[in-house]
Amino acid sequence: KQEVTQIPAALSVPEGENLVLNCSFTDSAIYNLQWFRQDPGKGLTSLLLIQSSQREQTSGRLNASLDKSSGRSTLYIAASQPGDSATYLCAVKGFGGQNFVFGPGTRLSVLP
Amino acid sequence: EAQVTQNPRYLITVTGKKLTVTCSQNMNHEYMSWYRQDPGLGLRQIYYSMNVEVTDKGDVPEGYKVSRKEKRNFPLILESPSPNQTSLYFCASSAGTQNTGELFFGEGSRLTVL
Repeated sequence: KQEVTQIPAALSVPEGENLVLNCSFTDSAIYNLQWFRQDPGKGLTSLLLIQSSQREQTSGRLNASLDKSSGRSTLYIAASQPGDSATYLCAVKGFGGQNFVFGPGTRLSVLP
Repeated sequence: EAQVTQNPRYLITVTGKKLTVTCSQNMNHEYMSWYRQDPGLGLRQIYYSMNVEVTDKGDVPEGYKVSRKEKRNFPLILESPSPNQTSLYFCASSAGTQNTGELFFGEGSRLTVL
């Protein structure tokens, strides 16, 4: 059964720092991996979607990488801003399965 | 604007009073799903639908019902709500019969059962 973990559970950084969030999964036979952002009490906003054949995706200050063989994905945020403060979740989808399996999330605080 | 719309956004009800949370998407997506999110437990899938008239149980289906009579709508029904169903509920949709695409979420419905 696929399990997804995210480290760290919480992270606090000063504004302007570059940072990396980690997502690990146990079954490397994934179809795609998606990173989401969630503000408190709000819905999930899709940030980046990486298909299994891709190594990375970029959107603005965000870059997500995927290494299926090691069961890892990283979300890199450049020049962090207070507005980046939120919980970041990753989700993986396997072949033939109907579920996206979600990680528990990393709660990010960017201090002014 | 492409979106997933849930209603109501907030609801307080009492034990045993049937309620329905509606979900509608305007992206012609085939796949739709319901999740609940609880502190410390993360997101858990309740039910999903691969297409019209096709639904299946997720990880925590007990106490819930769904229907998919139209492609755009996927209501979540609580026949006899109980306090342990107090939670934040999310509807999501995705394109493709094999759910290969991006997953889009609604804004969430916060339900309190007294």
